[in-house]
Amino acid sequence: GESVGLHLPTLSVQEGDNSIINCAYSNSASDYFIWYKQESGKGPQFIIDIRSNMDKRQGQRVTVLLNKTVKHLSLQIAATQPGDSAVYFCAEVSGGSYIPTFGRGTSLIVHP
Amino acid sequence: KAGVTQTPRYLIKTRGQQVTLSCSPISGHRSVSWYQQTPGQGLQFLFEYFSETQRNKGNFPGRFSGRQFSNSRSEMNVSTLELGDSALYLCASSFSSPYEQYFGPGTRLTVT
Repeated sequence: GESVGLHLPTLSVQEGDNSIINCAYSNSASDYFIWYKQESGKGPQFIIDIRSNMDKRQGQRVTVLLNKTVKHLSLQIAATQPGDSAVYFCAEVSGGSYIPTFGRGTSLIVHP
Repeated sequence: KAGVTQTPRYLIKTRGQQVTLSCSPISGHRSVSWYQQTPGQGLQFLFEYFSETQRNKGNFPGRFSGRQFSNSRSEMNVSTLELGDSALYLCASSFSSPYEQYFGPGTRLTVT
């Protein structure tokens, strides 16, 4: 599972590889999911979102997969670049109110 | 177009004091949300304002409050500061719904 504070799970990849970052969410009633990227010293940056009526959504170099059966979300980054190095968070939202719950994050390190 | 700006960027306060943080959203954005980020608890949603009204609220004590002005600028206030309030406070704006938000760089608050 994910660690607390500075001891985030870390994924190290080589430049050009594909990266897969995983997230387990907690609420089976969640119907909207978001991935964010946070670089050191900056606020989170929206990457991609997906609604619960979808299993897959693609963006530019990124794909989000949603498995509602096991409450699992993944973010795939194609041809990972050094600029992709950051902490990646998933967030889940349930119901009509926007009250997001965030995962602890995964640190992605891309080696040139 | 200018991004979300937050002032001040860094702040040091003493226990028991109060603090006000400011957020200027992207021009044309009417939804402003506030978040607290700590190593221990990760990223947590505080509240969201739209058209000067609090539309959504997270699970934080009443010491945390906010408001939004007619120009969509927002402030959050924390009264009777505790050591545990030391955190990065992030503001995010979006056009209308709180989805696909743009985050500011945050205000780093240290309570001593």
